[in-house]
Amino acid sequence: NAGVTQTPKFQVLKTGQSMTLQCAQDMNHEYMSWYRQDPGMGLRLIHYSVGAGITDQGEVPNGYNVSRSTTEDFPLRLLSAAPSQTSVYFCASKRLAGPTYNEQFFGPGTRLTVL
Amino acid sequence: KQEVTQIPAALSVPEGENLVLNCSFTDSAIYNLQWFRQDPGKGLTSLLLIQSSQREQTSGRLNASLDKSSGRSTLYIAASQPGDSATYLCAMWGSGGSNYKLTFGKGTLLTVNP
Repeated sequence: NAGVTQTPKFQVLKTGQSMTLQCAQDMNHEYMSWYRQDPGMGLRLIHYSVGAGITDQGEVPNGYNVSRSTTEDFPLRLLSAAPSQTSVYFCASKRLAGPTYNEQFFGPGTRLTVL
Repeated sequence: KQEVTQIPAALSVPEGENLVLNCSFTDSAIYNLQWFRQDPGKGLTSLLLIQSSQREQTSGRLNASLDKSSGRSTLYIAASQPGDSATYLCAMWGSGGSNYKLTFGKGTLLTVNP
């Protein structure tokens, strides 16, 4: 299993540009989520999904869109990038049932800089 | 709203020492607690998951305990090694409607000196 994969690893955008951060998992996990990690702020939940076609907001959803058309993929879209969105973004997934449910697995992260 | 505090923020110890990292939380109605390790510039690696009905979990030199009544969890690392140097994060799932949201502490930066 590749686990949770994220692309790209690094990205530089100009203010106002749009882009999509890709996330995929091959563990057949129902739940997927996106976090951002900023110095002094820790990890904060942006959006999450409990299955295909179902998404919900986390703590800091403004400026981000998500969709979940398949179990495997959970892309994060920045519609109009702002310098405040400079951060490291992590995707994660977990089971919602079974003996190890709630053990969340993280991808390697995408380091985004918005100029 | 759940708040998670990790003390100390940074810790430096000599190799071979046993150490304890602390995590406290304000809402005892948690569902599970998970300890992670994060190396510089890397993602998070799951170390231990404690279900709400459990009091501790062990993996190798690591032992994590959970006391919901006092709102505390500890991560014990035995015979520390330089390779243990990393940031350690605790995080918890809430119960009920918060079961889908993982709340993190800000971490403890551990340095183990050879």
